[in-house]
Amino acid sequence: LAKTTQPISMDSYEGQEVNITCSHNNIATNDYITWYQQFPSQGPRFIIQGYKTKVTNEVASLFIPADRKSSTLSLPRVSLSDTAVYYCLVGVHSGNTGKLIFGQGTTLQVKP
Amino acid sequence: NAGVMQNPRHLVRRRGQEARLRCSPMKGHSHVYWYRQLPEEGLKFMVYLQKENIIDESGMPKERFSAEFPKEGPSILRIQQVVRGDSAAYFCASSPVRREEQYFGPGTRLTVT
Repeated sequence: LAKTTQPISMDSYEGQEVNITCSHNNIATNDYITWYQQFPSQGPRFIIQGYKTKVTNEVASLFIPADRKSSTLSLPRVSLSDTAVYYCLVGVHSGNTGKLIFGQGTTLQVKP
Repeated sequence: NAGVMQNPRHLVRRRGQEARLRCSPMKGHSHVYWYRQLPEEGLKFMVYLQKENIIDESGMPKERFSAEFPKEGPSILRIQQVVRGDSAAYFCASSPVRREEQYFGPGTRLTVT
């Protein structure tokens, strides 16, 4: 499974757009990129998944350049409730394993 | 559709006792995963099960830990002879098929005194 690197922490203010970048230089051809969000004392929650270019849903956007060696999670107009840990995961659909490999994540602190 | 249910939410055990953690997956989900999160650390995969089968237990400690997902009833993570180092949050996740979008439960926080 590809190793991911993302900033340990980020600060932002309410109403700003937040971009969290994840590096995954060894991503394999059939790997998807998935982001999870975890609030304190809760289980992670799926945010978004993509393979290439851009994916957008009601929560976030995911930008993936052509070489796919990195990806950027974009959170528009964050609020205090977006304070959480954000995990970037790169995995495969093939094989028997269904496990997710979580790194240390990015702790986003949104300030008023 | 109820989400993934875990119970108990909090469990206190003395060293040497047994801990049983239960997980009821979302309706229609036949794949269950267990993860452990130690204080101030990320989540670590422990085991992946389908009904009556262990698919991947590569993250499970070789001793004292076991998991099952019977044909009927919840998945059970069992820790025998608990030690202080077992204190952690244990999360269960489920999915309808083997894929990366897993739905997590609220976790069971185990404290070993």
